[in-house]
Amino acid sequence: DIVMTQSPDSLAVSLGERATITCKSSQSLFYNSNNKNYLAWYQQRPGQPPKLLIYWASTRESGVPDRFSGSGSGTDFTLTISSLQAEDVAVYFCQQYYTTPITFGQGTRLEI
Amino acid sequence: QVQLVESGGGMVQPGRSLRLSCATSGFSFSGHGMAWVRKAPGKGLEWAAIIWYDGSLKYYIDSVKGRFTISRDNSNNTVNLQMNNLRPEDTAVYYCARGAVGANYFDYWGQGALVTVSS
Repeated sequence: DIVMTQSPDSLAVSLGERATITCKSSQSLFYNSNNKNYLAWYQQRPGQPPKLLIYWASTRESGVPDRFSGSGSGTDFTLTISSLQAEDVAVYFCQQYYTTPITFGQGTRLEI
Repeated sequence: QVQLVESGGGMVQPGRSLRLSCATSGFSFSGHGMAWVRKAPGKGLEWAAIIWYDGSLKYYIDSVKGRFTISRDNSNNTVNLQMNNLRPEDTAVYYCARGAVGANYFDYWGQGALVTVSS
């Protein structure tokens, strides 16, 4: 199974500041035949289902504010929130969909 | 708009069965894979099962293999999860999630159904 490890487990950032979450996979998520990384990021606010933010490691889902961005390739990925807003308080998860079993990172709790 | 609504959750004793259903609307159901993802209290997200858009392939996490069965009805736009021989560690909120076209990331999620396994 591909193990997804996020860091840090929790993070406190001031409003308007940058937040950075990293995700490392135990094997490469890059598929040579289509030059894509099979990595997604989700946001889960308290009492809500997860919400897709980023897929293919760096493609922002429609309607997601452009302060959210994803980067990385192979085994190392980053989610960046460029200017933290109050509504960004949530737990963030990375997910690999390169192969089954589909696996998620343990989550990063983001606070103000 | 896209909607996914789970039903069938509840409290059950260990060893018993429960069937979750997910009613969908607002999209071409037969064009998407569908999955169940669970979140146990105090833990992270765990993918449990997935079924291909046409039902031809099904995959499960090892801990539910032989106990859970995912199925779909493309005429009624529903996906189900039959859970047998439930264990306390199956206690979780179970989310129905829509797979993106051609890839197994999940672009829409239901609100979730709570399953509690306890004596």
